[in-house]
Amino acid sequence: DAKTTQPPSMDCAEGRAANLPCNHSTISGNEYVYWYRQIHSQGPQYIIHGLKNNETNEMASLIITEDRKSSTLILPHATLRDTAVYYCIVRINEKLTFGTGTRLTIIP
Amino acid sequence: GAVVSQHPSRVICKSGTSVKIECRSLDFQATTMFWYRQFPKQSLMLMATSNEGSKATYEQGVEKDKFLINHASLTLSTLTVTSAHPEDSSFYICSALRGRFGNTIYFGEGSWLTVV
Repeated sequence: DAKTTQPPSMDCAEGRAANLPCNHSTISGNEYVYWYRQIHSQGPQYIIHGLKNNETNEMASLIITEDRKSSTLILPHATLRDTAVYYCIVRINEKLTFGTGTRLTIIP
Repeated sequence: GAVVSQHPSRVICKSGTSVKIECRSLDFQATTMFWYRQFPKQSLMLMATSNEGSKATYEQGVEKDKFLINHASLTLSTLTVTSAHPEDSSFYICSALRGRFGNTIYFGEGSWLTVV
């Protein structure tokens, strides 16, 4: 499975856009990029996923580079409730294998 | 609202006893479910893949006789921790695949197991 690299932690001011990077340089053509987040002591929450094209939903936008070796999750207007650990996962077959993620802290 | 539900959310059991955790997909049929374990301040570790009507597939290093998985229906998978010991105390999380590959995997709320 392709591995991902994320910064261990990031801070973002409340109301600003939070941009979370992820490197997945060994991704292959049929692997999807998924983003989940986990708030303390809860199960992971699905955010968004994509294969090649950029994606947007009510929670976030996912920007995937043309070579697919990296992606960025964008939370357009971060709130305090967005403080969580964010996991970028590349998925082949049916499994999701979690890395260590990025601990995002929203600063008031 | 939640589309995958786990029960119980918290359980305390005595060492040597067994405990069962249920995972239900609420508004869809899930032929494939997954069980994870998470220790404090660590990431989720996949334990096994549960397939409806067949045996579960366990990840390397996970004891299949200790962590019994049953996926008897399209909406229910159960994890039974047999002969639990304090080192089995952890956060157990299930997830379910909605639809086919490329679709979304949803997670339950998790179950805290404490073995005393």
